[in-house]
Amino acid sequence: DVKVTQSSRYLVKRTGEKVFLECVQDMDHENMFWYRQDPGLGLRLIYFSYDVKMKEKGDIPEGYSVSREKKERFSLILESASTNQTSMYLCASSSTGVRSPLHFGNGTRLTVT
Amino acid sequence: GQQVMQIPQYQHVQEGEDFTTYCNSSTTLSNIQWYKQRPGGHPVFLIQLVKSGEVKKQKRLTFQFGEAKKNSSLHITATQTTDVGTYFCAGPESNYQLIWGAGTKLIIKP
Repeated sequence: DVKVTQSSRYLVKRTGEKVFLECVQDMDHENMFWYRQDPGLGLRLIYFSYDVKMKEKGDIPEGYSVSREKKERFSLILESASTNQTSMYLCASSSTGVRSPLHFGNGTRLTVT
Repeated sequence: GQQVMQIPQYQHVQEGEDFTTYCNSSTTLSNIQWYKQRPGGHPVFLIQLVKSGEVKKQKRLTFQFGEAKKNSSLHITATQTTDVGTYFCAGPESNYQLIWGAGTKLIIKP
């Protein structure tokens, strides 16, 4: 079974802090994704990566950056956290883009105060 | 831009009743995926449909992909408490991006 592991289940940070969300997958998948999920807004893609060191903006990249130094690890960085970034963050991986299923991690619920 | 509309937003059913959620895309889709998210959980892949008019079954769940590949449905027969959650459809917007429906929340009436 594919395992996607997110480093924290719950996180509370202060406005202006730099926040790192880590995600690791164990299936040698090429593609990794960061989504945020908010009530009434569904899943929105922040960034994705189709190879090591490669990254592409999704629908809502503003205020975020990502890093993929190793194939199995994809990090989401909030350079200066703001209250409107309070959300559930979901990491996912897939083997062949959108032609194969996404495997999600358990999510990180981030609260910015 | 491309949109995927999913209805209804909520459906309340008595245990044992049927449940259906519908997805409609503004454009033709190469495939459609369905996911289930339990309360407090993360989306879990259920199935992918690729062919026009395709119908697939998983026990009490029946998935359909329309002839024009612009709509899809998920039907659950005789719901059980384990079916509770939100069901999402998603279709490709590009090679790496999915466009997601807003989800249908299945609620079992006490």
